[in-house]
Amino acid sequence: QSVLTQPPSVSGAPGQRVTISCTGSSSNIGAGYDVHWYQQLPGTAPKLLIYGNSNRPSGVPDRFSGSKSGTSASLAISGLQAEDEADYYCQSYDSSLSGGVFGGGTKLTVL
Amino acid sequence: EVQLVESGGGLVQPGGSLRLSCAASGFTFSSYWMSWVRQAPGKGLEWVANIKQDGSEKYYVDSVKGRFTISRDNAKNSLYLQMNSLRAEDTAVYYCARDNWDYYYYMDVWGKGTTVTVSS
Repeated sequence: QSVLTQPPSVSGAPGQRVTISCTGSSSNIGAGYDVHWYQQLPGTAPKLLIYGNSNRPSGVPDRFSGSKSGTSASLAISGLQAEDEADYYCQSYDSSLSGGVFGGGTKLTVL
Repeated sequence: EVQLVESGGGLVQPGGSLRLSCAASGFTFSSYWMSWVRQAPGKGLEWVANIKQDGSEKYYVDSVKGRFTISRDNAKNSLYLQMNSLRAEDTAVYYCARDNWDYYYYMDVWGKGTTVTVSS
């Protein structure tokens, strides 16, 4: 049982837009801590995709965007491409645990 | 190039011990908090522990408290995870990651991971 809640899977056709939600609680996202997103391609290590709710590291396409409101956050991917097929994880800080917490991950399938 | 390379994984019996290492390069290791994150087979990511730049602060997920110890050697640009009293549920790929507190708080650089299997 992950501290942050994500849908297990989402799917979309090439070119479409999909969103992945991430819901937390008053000790993490709701406490004002930032939300970050990671992309994990099959068989590889996670890679930082979005940091500080909506910022993209250098090299990440602007098709990826993030937002946060209250105790939830969202990752949006527009113009879906086959290479976007991966697992996506949200992450925040939890004051009751004094450490990082992750969502359970969402598998994106490009139809 | 900023790089993290883990080593030390392997097969160990329940109750046994293992020490993981992470070699950092391409950045000033002593300026960063560092973390260990693990991923059990077919499961999601789980933050395990992190350590402050000078080693004076260390934090652990509840499931490993009292069994795992995170440490670092800034002179060797290395991070360690001593794992004792290992259990089957500790079986996972263990990733070393660099912490960033600019936006409270995330991991901006990851290693490729080392696999730990706890089985008799």
